Amino acid sequence: DTGVSQNPRHKITKRGQNVTFRCDPISEHNRLYWYRQTLGQGPEFLTYFQNEAQLEKSRLLSDRFSAERPKGSFSTLEIQRTEQGDSAMYLCASSPFDRGTNYGYTFGSGTRLTVV
Amino acid sequence: AQSVTQPDIHITVSEGASLELRCNYSYGATPYLFWYVQSPGQGLQLLLKYFSGDTLVQGIKGFEAEFKRSQSSFNLRKPSVHWSDAAEYFCAVGARSGYSTLTFGKGTMLLVSP
Repeated sequence: DTGVSQNPRHKITKRGQNVTFRCDPISEHNRLYWYRQTLGQGPEFLTYFQNEAQLEKSRLLSDRFSAERPKGSFSTLEIQRTEQGDSAMYLCASSPFDRGTNYGYTFGSGTRLTVV
Repeated sequence: AQSVTQPDIHITVSEGASLELRCNYSYGATPYLFWYVQSPGQGLQLLLKYFSGDTLVQGIKGFEAEFKRSQSSFNLRKPSVHWSDAAEYFCAVGARSGYSTLTFGKGTMLLVSP
């Protein structure tokens, strides 16, 4: 197991274009999270999945953002009609799930998005 | 709602000196607490976590943290800092149940001077 993998590492896009990021979690982890981190801030929660079900979405996740986790394995995060304010590091994390225990996360290295 | 405050945005420590990074949390019950470290351009790496039991927890890279319920604090310490410890450090809080996401502080940037 090589940990949580995110691709691409960097993405530069023009304003108005669509972008898609991929996250491959640790294989035995059934929880997958997306966080966004802007300069000088801690990670902010966007959304999470348990297996293939998207269980919670933050108010930060506007209707231009969509996330999927088909078959409960990898996940994609798509941003449509990108804006300069979307420039950030997008972090994926995974964890095992036990209703009685919060295990914390294993993070990927992130995808740095720059909208020009 | 849960929240985390890291009052120091930047801290500079001389190499070999001791380090303490502050973290205060707000949560209605006893939370799970975490410290993560982030090197520039990288994701976050878990340093240590507190779930229950001994309030002094040991982590990787020689770090430790102490949970103080009365002060709602979970400060990170290291007795002797190395230049490679220069990075950003994030404290995070989550509920004890697995039905919870983590809330992060804004981070403290550690600079190590020779």
